[in-house]
Amino acid sequence: DADVTQTPRNRITKTGKRIMLECSQTKGHDRMYWYRQDPGLGLRLIYYSFDVKDINKGEISDGYSVSRQAQAKFSLSLESAIPNQTALYFCATSDEGETYNEQFFGPGTRLTVL
Amino acid sequence: AQSVTQLGSHVSVSEGALVLLRCNYSSSVPPYLFWYVQYPNQGLQLLLKYTSAATLVKGINGFEAEFKKSETSFHLTKPSAHMSDAAEYFCAVSAYDSGYALNFGKGTSLLVTP
Repeated sequence: DADVTQTPRNRITKTGKRIMLECSQTKGHDRMYWYRQDPGLGLRLIYYSFDVKDINKGEISDGYSVSRQAQAKFSLSLESAIPNQTALYFCATSDEGETYNEQFFGPGTRLTVL
Repeated sequence: AQSVTQLGSHVSVSEGALVLLRCNYSSSVPPYLFWYVQYPNQGLQLLLKYTSAATLVKGINGFEAEFKKSETSFHLTKPSAHMSDAAEYFCAVSAYDSGYALNFGKGTSLLVTP
């Protein structure tokens, strides 16, 4: 089984709808991250969390919110989706104990907002 | 804060030729450096990561990168390109002062021609 899972893998929604993307991990890591990938822009950081009580904004947090329900779960919400939030979203985990703070990525969620 | 610049959004090489993908970084503190590869319609796979113990880093699939502090570079090379190397390549940097979040370059698309 994959160490970092994301659900759903694909989602099509309409403008104005609320949507939640979920990330779960079995690696026992404390740190979790949400990134967004757009063609020609690489990946950009949306939010990150060091533990359930420590959540931080990233480079492009506007229009997004997150919830760290437990050490193993980190959800990303779009309260009112808009078309320019159409992108590929990745969750990643890391830990102080990991060599060189390597991050482990989920398979991604492809989100389309019509 | 850290950042990376990947020179060349598209690189084309012939099968069997040298692959050189350029990455320059900026960091005010000792950086961690990574190269990731993304094959079409797939997630991110770690190619290699910089360790302070060695400036020449060997990764998977015959790739290697050399850390040059004086040039703030971490270029990715492979002596002989294979058709299967065609993919998107991302250079990334992280450090303790930004929560170890990854700052990605915009990516380089590698095309391998017969």
